[in-house]
Amino acid sequence: KAGVTQTPRYLIKTRGQQVTLSCSPISGHRSVSWYQQTPGQGLQFLFEYFSETQRNKGNFPGRFSGRQFSNSRSEMNVSTLELGDSALYLCASSLRFGGESNEQFFGPGTRLTVL
Amino acid sequence: AQSVTQLGSHVSVSEGALVLLRCNYSSSVPPYLFWYVQYPNQGLQLLLKYTSAATLVKGINGFEAEFKKSETSFHLTKPSAHMSDAAEYFCAVSDPNAGKSTFGDGTTLTVKP
Repeated sequence: KAGVTQTPRYLIKTRGQQVTLSCSPISGHRSVSWYQQTPGQGLQFLFEYFSETQRNKGNFPGRFSGRQFSNSRSEMNVSTLELGDSALYLCASSLRFGGESNEQFFGPGTRLTVL
Repeated sequence: AQSVTQLGSHVSVSEGALVLLRCNYSSSVPPYLFWYVQYPNQGLQLLLKYTSAATLVKGINGFEAEFKKSETSFHLTKPSAHMSDAAEYFCAVSDPNAGKSTFGDGTTLTVKP
């Protein structure tokens, strides 16, 4: 099975722009989560989707949004970019929503740099 | 709310020495615990996971972890460090009612020749 894929792998944007990141989960996985990783804050949960519905959201401003499609692929969007949005954005998929040992499988991430 | 605390942001060992990375958890329900490893510019890779079936869990690359409920700990060990083990390691607890996990701050492991 192919792993979790994320596109693009690298992005450079300027302040005020918006960006869309894409994530394709492992085939058959229906739950997708997004995380932001920075040296100062570590891994911070952004949001989680299951069956095209946002199930949980982390403590991020409304500039961060996402969606999930019927094929479980997910996108996240960041509008009005700020310098502090520079980070590695990780997508993770899991087979189901909750339950015992429901491990997440991570993609390689998208490295976003905001200038 | 669930949380994990990793003791020690940096651990340095010599090649061939024992690796011990510490993780303590807090959870109001039986926890689902994981260890992940991250190499530079890559995503996270699952090392091992705790299920209620066994308290001593064996993972990939010779790592293992022991779940100790009395100590609320899930420390990661490897008997003999290899240079290729140098990476960042994350302990995580998953939400039993969701797919997301809460991660510790990570421990960077350095292996000296």
